[in-house]
Parts: sequence; structure tokens; C-alpha cells
Amino acid sequence: AQSVAQPEDQVNVAEGNPLTVKCTYSVSGNPYLFWYVQYPNRGLQFLLKYITGDNLVKGSYGFEAEFNKSQTSFHLKKPSALVSDSALYFCAVTRHGISSGSARQLTFGSGTQLTVLP
Amino acid sequence: DVKVTQSSRYLVKRTGEKVFLECVQDMDHENMFWYRQDPGLGLRLIYFSYDVKMKEKGDIPEGYSVSREKKERFSLILESASTNQTSMYLCASRRQGISGNTIYFGEGSWLTVV
Repeated sequence: AQSVAQPEDQVNVAEGNPLTVKCTYSVSGNPYLFWYVQYPNRGLQFLLKYITGDNLVKGSYGFEAEFNKSQTSFHLKKPSALVSDSALYFCAVTRHGISSGSARQLTFGSGTQLTVLP
Repeated sequence: DVKVTQSSRYLVKRTGEKVFLECVQDMDHENMFWYRQDPGLGLRLIYFSYDVKMKEKGDIPEGYSVSREKKERFSLILESASTNQTSMYLCASRRQGISGNTIYFGEGSWLTVV
């Protein structure tokens, strides 16, 4: 069975400071990893994903994430937080070698609420 | 740009009513999903359709059914709404192929059953 852990329900950071939202995963084989953001009363927006190759993935709105295979982590980062980054962030995992014909293989974390303080 | 449209953003229904939640995507994606999102429980998969007229139960299908008569449209049906189905419902779509293809979400439908 695969799983995703977002160990922090809530992260607070001051505007202008770097931010990190943590994600660790467990999956058989090689993972595909995703980050999504959800603003209040909105759907999930895709931020970035890791498929293969460079461990540092750059995405939308200045976010990036680093894939660390040995630590089974995929932490989301941004060098300088904005108040407008305040939202709910979800990490998700699936694995290589299966077709997309089975949706059960995609697992979401429980989400981390990021609050950027002015 | 990718577009997944959920036509009803906010609905209030009575217990026992039949409820239809409609979702349309314009990317010609083969796969479509319905998720339910509740505080503390994250996203839970209700149903998945991998192509027209094809469907697969997710983790919480009880009390729900789906319809996929056309590729672009995926409907979630609550045959007899109950108060425990009050929730936010998210539709999503994805191109068929590798499991690493990105899933794109709609804006969500807030359903309140009274």
C-alpha cells in the first residue's frame, strides 16, 4: 500500500521569509509526486510534479520542490513567502509502471494549511 | 488552458432528493474523477471513469452513482440525498497514459443537505 504524510497540519511563516511545506511518501517502486494548492472555496490547482530526472522541480508562482529518494521526501519550498501564498497545500503520490486506468493508485496527503503573516 | 467546469458551485437540497452534479472538461481527456473533500479527511475518491460509459468504484461509492455518456461530461448522482453527504465535491480529469499525467480539478461544488 502507498501513503503520503504531511506531518504539519498548519505552517505559519512571516512574509518575505522562506517557506517549506513537508511531504514524505511510501510507495513500491519509483514515484510520481505532485503538489497542489487550494485557495478558500476553490478547487485544487496544480503547482508542480516530479516524474524523473532533476531532483529539483520548479513550478508555478515561484514554488519549487526537491525530490529526495533516500529520505522519501518531496518538500515544497519558496524562497520568499507572500501573503497571497496562504492556502491549503496537498501532496500526492502514485508510482511508475501502472497505467492511468486505475485511479486508486493516486494517494493524496491530508493537506497543510499555510498562513503567511504580513 | 485546461478547463474543468462544475456548473453548480453551491447547492442546498432536502433529505431524500435526487441530486445531480455535472462536470464538463474541454481537454478531450479520457479519465474523469469525482472526489469528496471533508475537513480532516482530505480527498476521497468516489468514482472514476477511464473512458466513455466506463466506470470504476472508488473508496466511498456508497450512496452515489455516476454517468459518462459523452467523453467531456461526467455526472455524479445522489439517488436519495442524506445529511451525511453534505460536503464539497471535486471533479477532475486526466489524459489517459502514464499514471504521472497531471490531474486537473474543477472549482468544486458545495452541497448542503438539510
